[in-house]
This record gives sequence, structure tokens and C-alpha cells, in this order.
Amino acid sequence: ETGVTQSPTHLIKTRGQQVTLRCSSQSGHNTVSWYQQALGQGPQFIFQYYREEENGRGNFPPRFSGLQFPNYSSELNVNALELDDSALYLCASSFTPKDEQFFGPGTRLTVL
Amino acid sequence: AQRVTQPEKLLSVFKGAPVELKCNYSYSGSPELFWYVQYSRQRLQLLLRHISRESIKGFTADLNKGETSFHLKKPFAQEEDSAMYYCALALGLTFGTGTRLQVTL
Repeated sequence: ETGVTQSPTHLIKTRGQQVTLRCSSQSGHNTVSWYQQALGQGPQFIFQYYREEENGRGNFPPRFSGLQFPNYSSELNVNALELDDSALYLCASSFTPKDEQFFGPGTRLTVL
Repeated sequence: AQRVTQPEKLLSVFKGAPVELKCNYSYSGSPELFWYVQYSRQRLQLLLRHISRESIKGFTADLNKGETSFHLKKPFAQEEDSAMYYCALALGLTFGTGTRLQVTL
């Protein structure tokens, strides 16, 4: 059984651009959650997908969007990047929304 | 709105001393609470959840609904306990800002 993986590891973008971050869940996990972790802060919940449907959303604007695919992969898309979007983005997968979440290593996004 | 507060950014204790990492929460419903830990250069991982009432690596946490707290405790700190600890509230996991535990000799 492989763990949660994320790509890319690091990414640099400029303000106004769009970015897609990818996550591969553990096999069999139907739930994926995305988090934003700014420096010195705890992870902030962006949204969660369960069986390819959005199952909850944190206090993030609509330019943060996601997709979950049947093959246990998922994407986080961010449009119109702002400097404050610079952060570590974590994905976490679980069997169901109530189960233990297994975290990936994160993608470090820098917006210049 | 749900909120988790961890008042200490850093807690430094000597090896063998008791540890208490504080966590308070704000939630109108019946809470599900977790402690996650991140060791150096490792990813976030679950330490314990209140519904299981387990003791993991010597750590315990009791949910106190009256005080809306879920403090993490260990009677005797070990060097390998040095890490970043996050308290989290379900669903979607609302995390606190974390406490860095530093265990020194």
C-alpha cells in the first residue's frame, strides 16, 4: 500500500497566473481533503471531496476549485494567483470523511 | 463557526518531566477532536482521536466539554517526543496553530 503523494514538490508562479496541484490518494480512499498552510500557521481547510463530489468547503474564494477522479487522484486549481496564496498545500485522503486522514508531503507554492 | 486555539507556540520541557499541550475549541455541536503530530522532516500524522480513547506513545487526551478543552498529556517526556503538535476539530479538520514541543536533556 503506497502513501499519499503530491506533485510537484515546489512551484513558482507569478501573480495573476493559474496553478494546478495534484494529489494521489491511498488506494481505496474515497475522500480527499485539501489544506493551505502558511508559514507558522496550522493547516487551513480548503475543501473536501467524497466520491467525486464536493463534501464541504472552508473559507476560501471560488478561485480555489478542485476535482476528484475515480482513480483516486485529485487536483486543486487556483486561478488569478495572489501573493498571499504562497503557502504549503497539503492533501489528505481517508476512506470516508469521518476516518483518519493520511497526509501527503505537500506542494510548496511561491507566488511572486 | 468552529475554532481551535492552541495558546502556546513553544513548550520546552526536560526529559522525564510531564507534558501538557493545551487545546481549546469552539463548536456548537458534538465535537470530534484529534491530535496530529509532525516530526522533523516527516508528514503530518494522526496521534490520537478522542473517540478511540487510546493512549498512543504514552500520550492521552481527555475531552472536557464543560471547559471545551482537549489537552494532550504525557507523564514523562522523551527526546523523541520533540515535534510539532496540532489539535484539530472535525469535519474537514479545523486545525489550531500548533505547539512545538521541545524536550531537552
